[in-house]
Amino acid sequence: NAGVTQTPKFQVLKTGQSMTLQCAQDMNHNSMYWYRQDPGMGLRLIYYSASEGTTDKGEVPNGYNVSRLNKREFSLRLESAAPSQTSVYFCASSESSGLSTDTQYFGPGTRLTVL
Amino acid sequence: AQSVTQLDSQVPVFEEAPVELRCNYSSSVSVYLFWYVQYPNQGLQLLLKYLSGSTLVESINGFEAEFNKSQTSFHLRKPSVHISDTAEYFCAVTRPGGYQKVTFGTGTKLQVIP
Repeated sequence: NAGVTQTPKFQVLKTGQSMTLQCAQDMNHNSMYWYRQDPGMGLRLIYYSASEGTTDKGEVPNGYNVSRLNKREFSLRLESAAPSQTSVYFCASSESSGLSTDTQYFGPGTRLTVL
Repeated sequence: AQSVTQLDSQVPVFEEAPVELRCNYSSSVSVYLFWYVQYPNQGLQLLLKYLSGSTLVESINGFEAEFNKSQTSFHLRKPSVHISDTAEYFCAVTRPGGYQKVTFGTGTKLQVIP
């Protein structure tokens, strides 16, 4: 039982390049999330998916797209990376499709640097 | 709208001393409150949460937090810290009623000094 896994762990991009961050969970959770963590700003929600086939914008969605490929996988794509997207990205999941009481389970993060 | 404030960005404390990490929230409706911990180079993991009932909630590793509605606070305490408690601690708030966005605080880095 690996929990939430993310790939890659580290990535360096040049401005304008694209890439996809992968996330998978093996806990049969319905909801999945993408956050970014920046110094002094805590975690900010980029996108979330309450169930397979649905996605919704979070607090900072500009410059990102997501795909809920199936119940297990939720990917985050940067189409044209910008230095402002340098951050640590966390994927998380929670059991239900819409209970705010749920605990969120986080992956280990992807450290992205955009030059 | 809801918000959460963690005024202390860093808290140094000697091993075996007590510690309090402060968290204040703002919301016009009832809230659920969480403390998450992030150990170096890891993702966040739940430490404890308040949903309803007893205002004092405890974690398995000796931390406790008390929900204080009148002061809109949810401070985290431990009577005696260990080196292994060195981590960053995030307070988070959400509201009842289906899916509600979780708002995280900016985090407090606890540094336990030997």
